[in-house]
Amino acid sequence: GAVVSQHPSWVICKSGTSVKIECRSLDFQATTMFWYRQFPKQSLMLMATSNEGSKATYEQGVEKDKFLINHASLTLSTLTVTSAHPEDSSFYICSAPPRGSFQETQYFGPGTRLLVL
Amino acid sequence: SQKIEQNSEALNIQEGKTATLTCNYTNYSPAYLQWYRQDPGRGPVFLLLIRENEKEKRKERLKVTFDTTLKQSLFHITASQPADSATYLCALAGGDSSYKLIFGSGTRLLVRP
Repeated sequence: GAVVSQHPSWVICKSGTSVKIECRSLDFQATTMFWYRQFPKQSLMLMATSNEGSKATYEQGVEKDKFLINHASLTLSTLTVTSAHPEDSSFYICSAPPRGSFQETQYFGPGTRLLVL
Repeated sequence: SQKIEQNSEALNIQEGKTATLTCNYTNYSPAYLQWYRQDPGRGPVFLLLIRENEKEKRKERLKVTFDTTLKQSLFHITASQPADSATYLCALAGGDSSYKLIFGSGTRLLVRP
């Protein structure tokens, strides 16, 4: 089956630093990838849609200058949390529908746990 | 505003019984609905998709129903096993070209041996 990986799986950083999270589709191409955030005991909240070769589209209330998204190739999207603060601590998950047919099915990465001190 | 509701209380059942989880939605007309399983600290795993023109879908021990009049989906796991213990999420999509999903908060299922 289709596999999506994320790196790193967890990261601890100091307040004010920037953190980059990678999302890769390992055995399929994805023109679109989605980035979600999940707080403890809460649902996945869609943050933005990453589009290969064009700008990402952000959901209402998500600061595009704080959460920088780059979809550099058909298998890689990156999310950079700039000037991270403790309230940015969360579980960040990416997903990708495979390019081509049956794009309704999304394959999720294992998630990246971010802790900002 | 669009709202998806899943029972926030954990469902605790005996091994071998059928687990039934509910997903209700309002102010929404999804083209399809999906169910995912999520284990602690992991990303969701796709289980089943059911479209707006389908009433029921089955996959092995799993069954999903979709009632667009009631705006409700039911997710059943028959002959439940302790390994089925996890959080189950329902997700709705509008069916537009963006394939964006809106997730419910999930219901935790605990299957006792």
